[in-house]
Amino acid sequence: GAGVSQSPRYKVAKRGQDVALRCDPISGHVSLFWYQQALGQGPEFLTYFQNEAQLDKSGLPSDRFFAERPEGSVSTLKIQRTQQEDSAVYLCASSPGDGNSPLHFGNGTRLTVT
Amino acid sequence: AQSVTQPDIHITVSEGASLELRCNYSYGATPYLFWYVQSPGQGLQLLLKYFSGDTLVQGIKGFEAEFKRSQSSFNLRKPSVHWSDAAEYFCAVGTGGFKTIFGAGTRLFVKA
Repeated sequence: GAGVSQSPRYKVAKRGQDVALRCDPISGHVSLFWYQQALGQGPEFLTYFQNEAQLDKSGLPSDRFFAERPEGSVSTLKIQRTQQEDSAVYLCASSPGDGNSPLHFGNGTRLTVT
Repeated sequence: AQSVTQPDIHITVSEGASLELRCNYSYGATPYLFWYVQSPGQGLQLLLKYFSGDTLVQGIKGFEAEFKRSQSSFNLRKPSVHWSDAAEYFCAVGTGGFKTIFGAGTRLFVKA
């Protein structure tokens, strides 16, 4: 079946622009996660949804970061007024259970802020 | 606080040689442990997982890992490495909540 789909694959934004990153999880997966992966680092947790409820957003680095999953399926990660330090790969993952279940990752969106 | 340490930033092995990638974790309870592999430009793919029971777990692509509670380790092994195994490998721990915490990764290079 189809895996986790993320778009766009690459995004270049000028400093100060807003960006929106989309994630389409595996059908039926209750849990959806966003991770940020800086160059040469492991993924860092940003936020977690169970269906449409955002149960944990403790990893969002600032109030410029906002995520939603209004119908419990597709999710969007929005970054307002992008800064150079926001440059990273943003990974979306889904799972049928909670964070202790194995994660199914998309290929990520590489964001470059110039 | 929960954490995962992968002491080796990169490792080079010859094709056909054995491989061991180290992982140490810090977690107060019985952990859920994972190894993922990431090829360039791709997302992470699960290699294997440990939840409970037998401390030696088998995964895909001929990989295995052994959970050693006394050493807080979960090292990944493969008896004979293939060139296609060149990638980045991440050890991770499930914290009993919603977060999976990842190590910084070990990049594997395979030489002919």
